[in-house]
Amino acid sequence: GENVEQHPSTLSVQEGDSAVIKCTYSDSASNYFPWYKQELGKRPQLIIDIRSNVGEKKDQRIAVTLNKTAKHFSLHITETQPEDSAVYFCAASISLRGYSTLTFGKGTMLLVSP
Amino acid sequence: DTEVTQTPKHLVMGMTNKKSLKCEQHMGHRAMYWYKQKAKKPPELMFVYSYEKLSINESVPSRFSPECPNSSLLNLHLHALQPEDSALYLCASSQGGGLEETQYFGPGTRLLVL
Repeated sequence: GENVEQHPSTLSVQEGDSAVIKCTYSDSASNYFPWYKQELGKRPQLIIDIRSNVGEKKDQRIAVTLNKTAKHFSLHITETQPEDSAVYFCAASISLRGYSTLTFGKGTMLLVSP
Repeated sequence: DTEVTQTPKHLVMGMTNKKSLKCEQHMGHRAMYWYKQKAKKPPELMFVYSYEKLSINESVPSRFSPECPNSSLLNLHLHALQPEDSALYLCASSQGGGLEETQYFGPGTRLLVL
């Protein structure tokens, strides 16, 4: 089955710095890569995603890159703010007939200090 | 509207009780999912329903019994649970077309088994 590795497990930055979280996946059948942000006690919330035919996608301060050959994908957050503090999960998705499967990384706790 | 709702928000039950968790979406999605999430861990898939049929059961103990009465509703019936079943139970839904599908999560039910 699919295996997703995520690093680092914790990341502390100063407000205004950039943060980078990296993931690797094992199954070349994975074709969709969402990133979820989960604040304490809340639901995982989709913040950005990338499809397998795209190399890079940006949404304001957040960007994601995908290297299919190396099976790597990364989340970049620029100009971090305290409200960015949360656990971030990467995931690799395989589309099947009528549904999809998500394999999550173990998560990165991001702490942004004012 | 990307809203998945879950009730109840919190549930405390004894090991001999029977209770049910409910999930509802009105986005016209045809795939619905149950996940279990322990503290500081990623969500773990339990069940997948596609077009109201059970498509995946990830070897979940029979004390958890899913039900999909219609395309908008998903239930999880609980009976004779163990303390280690205490966790956040998340419901999610996706379109069901099977092509690079985004899964949207509900707010979860926090379950405590005494």
